[in-house]
Amino acid sequence: DAGVIQSPRHEVTEMGQEVTLRCKPISGHNSLFWYRQTMMRGLELLIYFNNNVPIDDSGMPEDRFSAKMPNASFSTLKIQPSEPRDSAVYFCASRGLTSVYGYTFGSGTRLTVV
Amino acid sequence: AQSVSQHNHHVILSEAASLELGCNYSYGGTVNLFWYVQYPGQHLQLLLKYFSGDPLVKGIKGFEAEFIKSKFSFNLRKPSVQWSDTAEYFCAVNAGRGSQGNLIFGKGTKLSVKP
Repeated sequence: DAGVIQSPRHEVTEMGQEVTLRCKPISGHNSLFWYRQTMMRGLELLIYFNNNVPIDDSGMPEDRFSAKMPNASFSTLKIQPSEPRDSAVYFCASRGLTSVYGYTFGSGTRLTVV
Repeated sequence: AQSVSQHNHHVILSEAASLELGCNYSYGGTVNLFWYVQYPGQHLQLLLKYFSGDPLVKGIKGFEAEFIKSKFSFNLRKPSVQWSDTAEYFCAVNAGRGSQGNLIFGKGTKLSVKP
């Protein structure tokens, strides 16, 4: 299994531009999580999906952030418009049917907004 | 609401020293507990987990953790650290066996091991 695949690995964009981060979970996993990691705030849960349905998006910072999971094998996190304070590493993770298996994290996308 | 506390923000040790990183959680029911490690520039990887049975859990690379229910703790230990253990360590909790909920992570503890 290739694990959780995120793209791109690095993204540098100008303030105001739209940014789309992508994630392919492990096949068969039914839960998907988006996290943001910064030095100041640590690891923050942004949103998670069970069976492609958003369950909790209370961690999404503001309306500029949106996430979709159109099918079991793909999810996107979009920031529009982007701001310098959005600079962070964004991790996607997936999990199987029950929590006993923990999460498998992707390698992350390092986003820099200038 | 569940929460996880990792009291040490940064721990500095010399090689061969023993390690113990504290983790306390707040939740009164059945929990699943995890430790993740993040090596510099890399993603989080599962180090070990507890969900039932023997409260002393052994993980990869010589790490172990002990679940003490009465203390709501799940401390991570290693008898002798190596320079390659330099990383950030995250404790996480999920409520309920078989829960479909999300993991709650602590803020992490950075471990620096001096050669």
